[in-house]
Amino acid sequence: RKEVEQDPGPFNVPEGATVAFNCTYSNSASQSFFWYRQDCRKEPKLLMSVYSSGNEDGRFTAQLNRASQYISLLIRDSKLSDSATYLCAVKGGSGGGADGLTFGKGTHLIIQP
Amino acid sequence: NAGVMQNPRHLVRRRGQEARLRCSPMKGHSHVYWYRQLPEEGLKFMVYLQKENIIDESGMPKERFSAEFPKEGPSILRIQQVVRGDSAAYFCASSPYGREQYFGPGTRLTVT
Repeated sequence: RKEVEQDPGPFNVPEGATVAFNCTYSNSASQSFFWYRQDCRKEPKLLMSVYSSGNEDGRFTAQLNRASQYISLLIRDSKLSDSATYLCAVKGGSGGGADGLTFGKGTHLIIQP
Repeated sequence: NAGVMQNPRHLVRRRGQEARLRCSPMKGHSHVYWYRQLPEEGLKFMVYLQKENIIDESGMPKERFSAEFPKEGPSILRIQQVVRGDSAAYFCASSPYGREQYFGPGTRLTVT
C-alpha cells in the first residue's frame, strides 16, 4: 500500500459546482496534514493545514478522519482559477522521515466554463 | 517579505559534471527542506537541515548527493557526477517552526 494515495483524476467540474477529494495515508503515527496546489511546472503552494476538528478557509474546507486515516478537501463555488493539481501531504509518514512531508501524486482538477 | 528563493531556475549539465543548487529560505525561517520531483512522479523528500546541521537525510541517495546549510549564506544541494536519471525539478522549502512548509520556485536540472 502506498504511503499517501490520491485519485489522480482528472476531475472535470463545471464552474460554480462543489467538488471534493479524498486522500488516504498508511502511517497511523502521522502527525500533521496539509493540502497544497500545484500549477503546471510550478512550485507547490500551501493551500491549508488540516486540523482534527476540521477547518475552513473561504470556499475551502478540510477534514481529517484519523480512525479511517483519510483527509478530504471540499471546494465550493468552484472558479476557473481553481484548475490545478491538488497535493495531499502528510508529516511523519515514513516516506518523509520524521520531519519531511510525504506527498501523494496529486488529483488533477479542471474547472470548465 | 520575499519568499523562498532558489537559483539557478534552470541548470543544464553534461553527464559526469557537478550540479550546485542554492536555496535561501524566507526571512526568519530556520528550517530548510529539499525535495525532488521526477517527471510524472510525486514530490519526494530528500533532506532536512537547520543552520549548520543536517537533521534528517533519510531521503538522500547514498552516493553523489550532499547538502549543507552554513551559518552564513544559502543552503546548497550538491550532486556530483550527474547522470541522466538526476534530471528533475528540485524544490526547496522553508519553515519557521517545522510545521507548515513554503516552497521555492524550484531548479529544473537537465542532464545531457
